Parts: sequence; C-alpha cells; structure tokens
Amino acid sequence: DQQVKQNSPSLSVQEGRISILNCDYTNSMFDYFLWYKKYPAEGPTFLISISSIKDKNEDGRFTVFLNKSAKHLSLHIVPSQPGDSAVYFCAASADSNDYKLSFGAGTTVTVRA
Amino acid sequence: NAGVMQNPRHLVRRRGQEARLRCSPMKGHSHVYWYRQLPEEGLKFMVYLQKENIIDESGMPKERFSAEFPKEGPSILRIQQVVRGDSAAYFCASSPRQVVNQPQHFGDGTRLSIL
Repeated sequence: DQQVKQNSPSLSVQEGRISILNCDYTNSMFDYFLWYKKYPAEGPTFLISISSIKDKNEDGRFTVFLNKSAKHLSLHIVPSQPGDSAVYFCAASADSNDYKLSFGAGTTVTVRA
Repeated sequence: NAGVMQNPRHLVRRRGQEARLRCSPMKGHSHVYWYRQLPEEGLKFMVYLQKENIIDESGMPKERFSAEFPKEGPSILRIQQVVRGDSAAYFCASSPRQVVNQPQHFGDGTRLSIL
C-alpha cells in the first residue's frame, strides 16, 4: 500500500529555471514531511522538511509547500543548477516523533545546461 | 553522507548463504533505523533499534531476517539463507533521539546481490 506517491518519475529542466516536484499522500495522519535528495551510489541526504502546522517552508533555493486539504506537497527549486540533478524522495511520518518514514518512489531531476 | 558508515558497500552472496550488513551511526546518535530499497521503488522501513533494544521490527520479514545494536560496536542486519528476492539496497539511518523535527541521516547503503 503506497501511502506516499510521486507520480512523475522524471523531470527535465533548463539551468536557471524552476523545478517543481510533486508528492501526494493518502494517510491523513501524516503530519511531518521531508524531502531527501539522492545521488547514484549514495544514501539520501536530507534537504528540507515541513510540519503540518505550516503551509510553506523556505531554505535558500528550496521551498516546500503543503496543502493539507488536498494531501499534496511540492518542492520548488529556484534557480535550478546542474548539481541539483539527482533523485528526489518525498517522505512522511504520522507523528513528528514517529520514526517510520514512508517514502515515495522518487523523481529523477535532470538539469540541462 | 559523512557520519553514518555502512559496510560493506557491495555484497555478493549465493542463494542459501548468510549476509551481514553493518552500520555505525553518527557520533552521538543512539537511534538506528534500517530501510530497504528495491529497484524503482522508494525506501521501506524495516526496523528501529536503540542500544541493546529492538524498538520496532514491524517492517522486517519474520523469517531469516534479524537485527541487533549491541552496547559496543555497530548495528548488524543479518539475513540468513538468502534468496534472489533479497537483492536490494539496504540503508541505515541514525538520529540522536526521537525529537520533533530531527530528520534521520542516512549512510550510503549496502548493495546486496544474490547470485
């Protein structure tokens, strides 16, 4: 049962433009959401998170938006850089203290020069 | 991913053999989590351990799989009598403790291949 879904397996964007990655979830108990970035042959690296009490969190070029009513979140990367080419995973947990992260299948982002 | 150390990075086993995967958490972290990633899928939670205690193993298959985190030394994920379906990337993560807004930090994984 896939509780976190990333429906776009890949995304190609030109350097300097905005990358928008989407994530949907089905478990209404989820209240803490994270984005991880993963390069080949490496482990996921934490990027940014948001709790359900907020609808936006920004960190430099990365902004995460949360729409609880739609059970949808998105990650915006502006401007996109070649080093952003990686797989991005959306993850969620049912309580901020819950250790069980549920991951989406990932979106592969390719930034074209 | 400096900090959480996993070894070996690659492990090849024949069907029926045992696989042992090791994880040393980041310094100061006492909570360890194991995840498995099958090709084209996201990571799936397997087990959560603190020193000398298994807190939750609900994501781990009941048979052939076991995990430990002894007082001294790394956490070990052990798979007995491996089968082809065990081929996957196994990731370990750690955190200092269960607190709000503390993300888990991952190692680079062990790629297990079963011949």
